Amino acid sequence: DADVTQTPRNRITKTGKRIMLECSQTKGHDRMYWYRQDPGLGLRLIYYSFDVKDINKGEISDGYSVSRQAQAKFSLSLESAIPNQTALYFCATSVAGRAHNEQFFGPGTRLTVL
Amino acid sequence: QQQVKQSPQSLIVQKGGIPIINCAYENTAFDYFPWYQQFPGKGPALLIAIRPDVSEKKEGRFTISFNKSAKQFSLHIMDSQPGDSATYFCAAGLEGYSTLTFGKGTMLLVSP
Repeated sequence: DADVTQTPRNRITKTGKRIMLECSQTKGHDRMYWYRQDPGLGLRLIYYSFDVKDINKGEISDGYSVSRQAQAKFSLSLESAIPNQTALYFCATSVAGRAHNEQFFGPGTRLTVL
Repeated sequence: QQQVKQSPQSLIVQKGGIPIINCAYENTAFDYFPWYQQFPGKGPALLIAIRPDVSEKKEGRFTISFNKSAKQFSLHIMDSQPGDSATYFCAAGLEGYSTLTFGKGTMLLVSP
């Protein structure tokens, strides 16, 4: 089945460490997104990419960076992790073009920064 | 700021009840309003979506009601079941543009 996968699924790290979260998809979608989910705050967009050469900041990009290595791969980096980046992180994909707004989410990565 | 305000934050109903979750938006340019359902340990998944040319859309036991003049939309779950227990997110976006603005979510518990 075409799918969106995220690695790792769980990660515990210390303040100041560099962390990379990876997302891969076999759906053939051009558009990819990174969100974080916090209790009571919902889903907030960190970065999004409409194709390999296109990277855009979302609502809460400070402290994060991304890399779109290929159509199928979109990585999220925390250069120097801090405790308030403890959250559930989701990657999502969607098809390009009019009337194709549905986003397909991966299973999430639970990140804890001590 | 393009906000989508969702209420209530949590909701408990008995099996067979009709939970209602409400959302309000600010940006009148929004023309796509989806609801996502998230089970524990899973990513959100699209449940149902509506565009502003209709006032209601039904898919099985799930109904979206849309009030364009009030800039509000709501999700109704008919004959709710314990398996409907999940977190529900409303969202809004511009058709074809792909980014969505999500509400803060509603945790629904349907008791047996």
